[in-house]
Amino acid sequence: GNSVTQMEGPVTLSEEAFLTINCTYTATGYPSLFWYVQYPGEGLQLLLKATKADDKGSNKGFEATYRKETTSFHLEKGSVQVSDSAVYFCALGASGGYQKVTFGTGTKLQVIP
Amino acid sequence: GAGVSQSPRYKVAKRGQDVALRCDPISGHVSLFWYQQALGQGPEFLTYFQNEAQLDKSGLPSDRFFAERPEGSVSTLKIQRTQQEDSAVYLCASSLASQGAKETQYFGPGTRLLVL
Repeated sequence: GNSVTQMEGPVTLSEEAFLTINCTYTATGYPSLFWYVQYPGEGLQLLLKATKADDKGSNKGFEATYRKETTSFHLEKGSVQVSDSAVYFCALGASGGYQKVTFGTGTKLQVIP
Repeated sequence: GAGVSQSPRYKVAKRGQDVALRCDPISGHVSLFWYQQALGQGPEFLTYFQNEAQLDKSGLPSDRFFAERPEGSVSTLKIQRTQQEDSAVYLCASSLASQGAKETQYFGPGTRLLVL
């Protein structure tokens, strides 16, 4: 079946540091890939997505590239801010039919001033 | 416009009690999903509706869990005879179309259920 493995947290970074959160997946076919973010006290929000190999999703300075050859979708940001502190979930949507999303376990990011 | 709303936001139940969790999806959204998120984990799929039809209930953990969407809009997730292991956040999500792996799901804030 489909699965997502992501880097365990928590990750603590200083403001303006470079961020990478690793994510790899196992799936049949050609899934869509997502990063969701959950800010403290808020619901899950879609951060970015990519729907085919070599696509790059980007939003709010975050980006991730769909790498089919390495089955990866690593999240990066060049300079994190305190406001980026949240839990980040890598996820995949099954190819074909309706979209049943499989989530990773989440990575908590804390950015300190 | 309004997003996905869920009620109640918090629910405390005694073991053995029945509970009902409500989801109001974004107006016009065809697809509706329920997920269960245990503490420190990612959400796990429970069930999927396309309009009023429940097309997939493979993620429901037991026959104590029941979901419905009778008019193709509001949905209710019911848990009978709650157990402590049912304690989790229950998330509802909706998306506009009925098919397509590219569809974005919009999540509600969740209902945090605590079974004592």
